[in-house]
Amino acid sequence: EVHLLESGGGLVQPGGSLRLACEASGFTFKSYVMSWVRQAPGKGLEWVSAIIASGETTFYADSVKGRFTISRENSKNTLYLDMTSLRAEDTAMYYCAKPNYGVFDSWGQGTLVTVSS
Amino acid sequence: DIQMTQSPSTLSASVGDIVTITCRAGQDIGDWLAWYQHKPGKAPRLLIYKASNLQTGVPSRFSGSGSGTEFTLTISSLQPDDLATYYCQQYKSYPYTFGQGTKLQIK
Repeated sequence: EVHLLESGGGLVQPGGSLRLACEASGFTFKSYVMSWVRQAPGKGLEWVSAIIASGETTFYADSVKGRFTISRENSKNTLYLDMTSLRAEDTAMYYCAKPNYGVFDSWGQGTLVTVSS
Repeated sequence: DIQMTQSPSTLSASVGDIVTITCRAGQDIGDWLAWYQHKPGKAPRLLIYKASNLQTGVPSRFSGSGSGTEFTLTISSLQPDDLATYYCQQYKSYPYTFGQGTKLQIK
């Protein structure tokens, strides 16, 4: 059974930084593209970023490009999201998701990021 | 970016009703469309992939149709457990995009 466990969320001031992590189990992590998806309070789902299996290619939503960096450590079955220059509008629940040919068939429970002074 | 537009934004229906949600893509996405169910406090759940394929374990009252730019999610007989927000998502190209969601309420 696929299991994705996010961590690293919390309260951070505007302009601050935070690193999210997602520990994966139940599947061959190093063989899959992985993604982050977020949901701001009262808003819909927003795809944030993706990274291919090898880690060599990454993709970002325009809203986070240049501020967020996705990475992975296949030896530790772990996905990361480094977030810098955080803004109030980055406040959201951040989900780690495993795409299967682009479709998110497995999700973590999410980690909450709050950007506020 | 490919814009996805859902309608309606909110929907109120009774148990046993047939419910239809529409999703329109800003450009031709073929059948690279998925539907998700999202309940408060839970992770989203995949319902339909490739426009019309039912994900394993999803009740057969859920179905999807469409291709190109127009898609629909249909619930054939609404159940109380279907109270949730429903999202479409295109995965033809990055950046992947979701519709704004349809909040389904039970009368």
